[in-house]
Amino acid sequence: DAGITQSPRHKVTETGTPVTLRCHQTENHRYMYWYRQDPGHGLRLIHYSYGVKDTDKGEVSDGYSVSRSKTEDFLLTLESATSSQTSVYFCAISGTGTTDTQYFGPGTRLTVL
Amino acid sequence: QKEVEQNSGPLSVPEGAIASLNCTYSDRGSQSFFWYRQYSGKSPELIMFIYSNGDKEDGRFTAQLNKASQYVSLLIRDSQPSDSATYLCAVNRAAGNKLTFGGGTRVLVKP
Repeated sequence: DAGITQSPRHKVTETGTPVTLRCHQTENHRYMYWYRQDPGHGLRLIHYSYGVKDTDKGEVSDGYSVSRSKTEDFLLTLESATSSQTSVYFCAISGTGTTDTQYFGPGTRLTVL
Repeated sequence: QKEVEQNSGPLSVPEGAIASLNCTYSDRGSQSFFWYRQYSGKSPELIMFIYSNGDKEDGRFTAQLNKASQYVSLLIRDSQPSDSATYLCAVNRAAGNKLTFGGGTRVLVKP
């Protein structure tokens, strides 16, 4: 398995509270991604990073922010969680080539009550 | 029209048969194509990728790409019950090395 960990693995929180999910890699890959996966929608890109302090939005970025201060860590923050953000969140990493595989972390199941 | 489309299934195949999965994409500029397998409650794992027209084989899996018709397919030969999973098609449109995923096809292999 690629060296990717996500924390926490499970979280239950209440509407309106801030939540931060962490992705940590030991592979020194330049690209890191955050996806959410929901029934009927598949995997959708939230934000991605192409280097330290370099990030960009994906297709479902509203309500989320990210930060990458070190190569190995990519943080996803929900500033004020809503029930619509209940989902499974996956982090992924890849190299820079267009055929470079994206390797996925184990996922975080987030429930917003 | 979704950017990457897959039949959601389930695709039911008997053990030992060939499972054929299809994926169509809308962006003609797409450059590389990936097939991932995802078991229930687990993360996606790569099966194979393809970027040239034609067939690419890896063990029991064959990916087929037809850029003119904008589809990519995956064949699973000698299907086993352990192949029962959701198969995700993903397309790299080159900009920012981002993947766009289809909704996935659920495959059930019956003994």
